Amino acid sequence: GESVGLHLPTLSVQEGDNSIINCAYSNSASDYFIWYKQESGKGPQFIIDIRSNMDKRQGQRVTVLLNKTVKHLSLQIAATQPGDSAVYFCAENISRQGGKLIFGQGTELSVKP
Amino acid sequence: EPEVTQTPSHQVTQMGQEVILRCVPISNHLYFYWYRQILGQKVEFLVSFYNNEISEKSEIFDDQFSVERPDGSNFTLKIRSTKLEDSAMYFCASRDRGVGNYGYTFGSGTRLTVV
Repeated sequence: GESVGLHLPTLSVQEGDNSIINCAYSNSASDYFIWYKQESGKGPQFIIDIRSNMDKRQGQRVTVLLNKTVKHLSLQIAATQPGDSAVYFCAENISRQGGKLIFGQGTELSVKP
Repeated sequence: EPEVTQTPSHQVTQMGQEVILRCVPISNHLYFYWYRQILGQKVEFLVSFYNNEISEKSEIFDDQFSVERPDGSNFTLKIRSTKLEDSAMYFCASRDRGVGNYGYTFGSGTRLTVV
């Protein structure tokens, strides 16, 4: 069943370390995935996306990995900085069905200086 | 950089009252969305809007909810008779067509508190 608790998974890392945030998506028909960063009191902010015909995509300091076999996404942040502290959500989309995004639960990243 | 603007940032209302949440999407975007986020939980899709009509809505979006694009710039979400469980952050989003990440842009949200 769906979790309705108030506690997000938390990842705590030291500044300069690499972070890996994981996400299990729900629908095997999803073909487009986005990672969002959400800071307190703000809306989701786009980080990086990937289509299902890829298994890896790199951006500036971030990499997204997609494993369709087990319906798993990960976000890797290199050289994590205090400004990376936020809640990170993955979102999935079935592109032929329109732009609705289905969000995952979210992970709170805390970066210690 | 273009922004999606939402007003007010915080709205407190009494149970049973009507509220209207306002959004100004990015001007050349074609698709508009409302999402909500109950405190500590994930962001949930409410409704999508294209070509002046609803294209998809979730189970949450019942008869108490309505959306409107009254002019060329505003996109509103109305809750006709608010309930305590409507308390949440409400995010408006808009996107263009065919852009890599769909150009999906979220506003900063309106925090709705129903008392």
